[in-house]
Amino acid sequence: RKEVEQDPGPFNVPEGATVAFNCTYSNSASQSFFWYRQDCRKEPKLLMSVYSSGNEDGRFTAQLNRASQYISLLIRDSKLSDSATYLCVVNRGASGGSYIPTFGRGTSLIVHP
Amino acid sequence: DAGVIQSPRHEVTEMGQEVTLRCKPISGHDYLFWYRQTMMRGLELLIYFNNNVPIDDSGMPEDRFSAKMPNASFSTLKIQPSEPRDSAVYFCASSKDRREQFFGPGTRLTVL
Repeated sequence: RKEVEQDPGPFNVPEGATVAFNCTYSNSASQSFFWYRQDCRKEPKLLMSVYSSGNEDGRFTAQLNRASQYISLLIRDSKLSDSATYLCVVNRGASGGSYIPTFGRGTSLIVHP
Repeated sequence: DAGVIQSPRHEVTEMGQEVTLRCKPISGHDYLFWYRQTMMRGLELLIYFNNNVPIDDSGMPEDRFSAKMPNASFSTLKIQPSEPRDSAVYFCASSKDRREQFFGPGTRLTVL
């Protein structure tokens, strides 16, 4: 099993739709979690951190389920500009107090008019 | 802040040549990461540094790859000799503590 897995998609949705992505992780000792967005031929950029209690930022909601070892991202009222690849990142502890980040392969979202 | 700076942005070279990629992290950040991204394998962590010290290089493909961080404001990733299968986008990222990573614009490497 891969350390971090995502459905590659693409998810093809109309404007205004609600869409959700999941990301599963295999290491139960994982400590912190993030969602990044990557536009075509650009670098990944942080979309939002994922907190244990869940968190919301405008149309975006992120949740963590430690028992089932997955994180989710919900996008409400999709915009054309939301079209991108969404990468989940899982950080696990490493020696000397450092950490190791692992990126999922990403989920492609296409929002059409 | 200028963000993470990478150079060159594009590199085209011939098989067997040495390639050096450069990265300047954000000032004050104590972690620096080198990634490689391809369609086949996604974003792979190659090596990362904490306070200029290499912590984990298990992602470095083979001995042809090496990375250095001589000071807090500069790092290099070197491939010698380069091969066509090294063609990819190489990203450098930095972070403070264990917070979000900030990525540079990447170097698009093509090895002919």
